[in-house]
Amino acid sequence: EDQVTQSPEALRLQEGESSSLNCSYTVSGLRGLFWYRQDPGKGPEFLFTLYSAGEEKEKERLKATLTKKESFLHITAPKPEDSATYLCAVQAGFNKFYFGSGTKLNVKP
Amino acid sequence: DVKVTQSSRYLVKRTGEKVFLECVQDMDHENMFWYRQDPGLGLRLIYFSYDVKMKEKGDIPEGYSVSREKKERFSLILESASTNQTSMYLCASSLYSTGTLYNSPLHFGNGTRLTVT
Repeated sequence: EDQVTQSPEALRLQEGESSSLNCSYTVSGLRGLFWYRQDPGKGPEFLFTLYSAGEEKEKERLKATLTKKESFLHITAPKPEDSATYLCAVQAGFNKFYFGSGTKLNVKP
Repeated sequence: DVKVTQSSRYLVKRTGEKVFLECVQDMDHENMFWYRQDPGLGLRLIYFSYDVKMKEKGDIPEGYSVSREKKERFSLILESASTNQTSMYLCASSLYSTGTLYNSPLHFGNGTRLTVT
């Protein structure tokens, strides 16, 4: 069964405490893996696309990596404004996306 | 930047009413989507459209219909609203390359929080 699993469900960090979020997938025919940030009451905001194992993308304090079975979103020295829910999605076919249920990140000052 | 605009941020409707949710995108994307997002259930696809007047059912189409009369506009219709349709509704758009078989990332609107009483 095609599915995307994110862990942990929730993560509390102190400001400056680096960590990683995980997105594992069992999807045949991966076409792309996408990371999104979602603030409360808003739509998901696109962060990164990864297409092949070994690929990495960076943006400010965030770095996304991809292997054949999972992706990690590394957060280096997070700040309170990084608090949000981070969603992972996988494209497996024509207009076919599978979403994880997200990791809710809370960064305390 | 892609902009996807949903006409209402909040809506309150009564059971049995016909409800229209409107979405407009400004990037000439062929593909548009309607999802609903509920706590513990994540994002679930209701319908998508890959061209004007073309539509396909997603995972939870029951109780919903859609309309795509113009490329930039995709409407979600609740024929007779029920309380179990209280949810956050998200519209998204994407390009699809027939050459590479890849979609571009989904770009989402800010959502419509619908409450049915």
